[in-house]
Amino acid sequence: AQSVSQHNHHVILSEAASLELGCNYSYGGTVNLFWYVQYPGQHLQLLLKYFSGDPLVKGIKGFEAEFIKSKFSFNLRKPSVQWSDTAEYFCAVSPYSGTYKYIFGTGTRLKVLA
Amino acid sequence: DTGVSQDPRHKITKRGQNVTFRCDPISEHNRLYWYRQTLGQGPEFLTYFQNEAQLEKSRLLSDRFSAERPKGSFSTLEIQRTEQGDSAMYLCASSLGGQGRNQPQHFGDGTRLSIL
Repeated sequence: AQSVSQHNHHVILSEAASLELGCNYSYGGTVNLFWYVQYPGQHLQLLLKYFSGDPLVKGIKGFEAEFIKSKFSFNLRKPSVQWSDTAEYFCAVSPYSGTYKYIFGTGTRLKVLA
Repeated sequence: DTGVSQDPRHKITKRGQNVTFRCDPISEHNRLYWYRQTLGQGPEFLTYFQNEAQLEKSRLLSDRFSAERPKGSFSTLEIQRTEQGDSAMYLCASSLGGQGRNQPQHFGDGTRLSIL
């Protein structure tokens, strides 16, 4: 079955620290990849997306992600986090196979200490 | 872009009752999705519509669940004879898509269902 793994469930960082959140998926075909963020009390918002082309994609608020096809990974990075990045982060995969549903990981709860 | 709107935000009901949720997608979006999210989990796909046609349903969507999108605009999700296990956040999302295209989904705030 198709699945998405986010290995870090809780991450605590100090401001200005670098961030990398892992995301691995299991699907052998072409995929579209997404990272969503959910700030406390708010709805899911798109951070960035990968459809095709350059495997290094840049999103909003200084986030970027790298698609490594051979590793089935789409890790999220930010060189220097801020207190306002405290949120829950979800990786999502959409298999490019005639379905438009997203398969989400379990999420990573990030807390940034001021 | 007024966003995806869901109503109600919270619903508390007794086990065995029926509940109905509404979702108003972004106006020009032709695809509408329902997901369910429980504590500590990511959203799980339930079903999606392209215009008024329901094109895919998850096995999570038991016979007690029914979704409609009668005019290709708003959608309703009804749960009949609710059970404790139905307690969750129900999320609606919408997107604009054409043949083979899969544009990012925009999510609403969700309806939190609590079964007493």
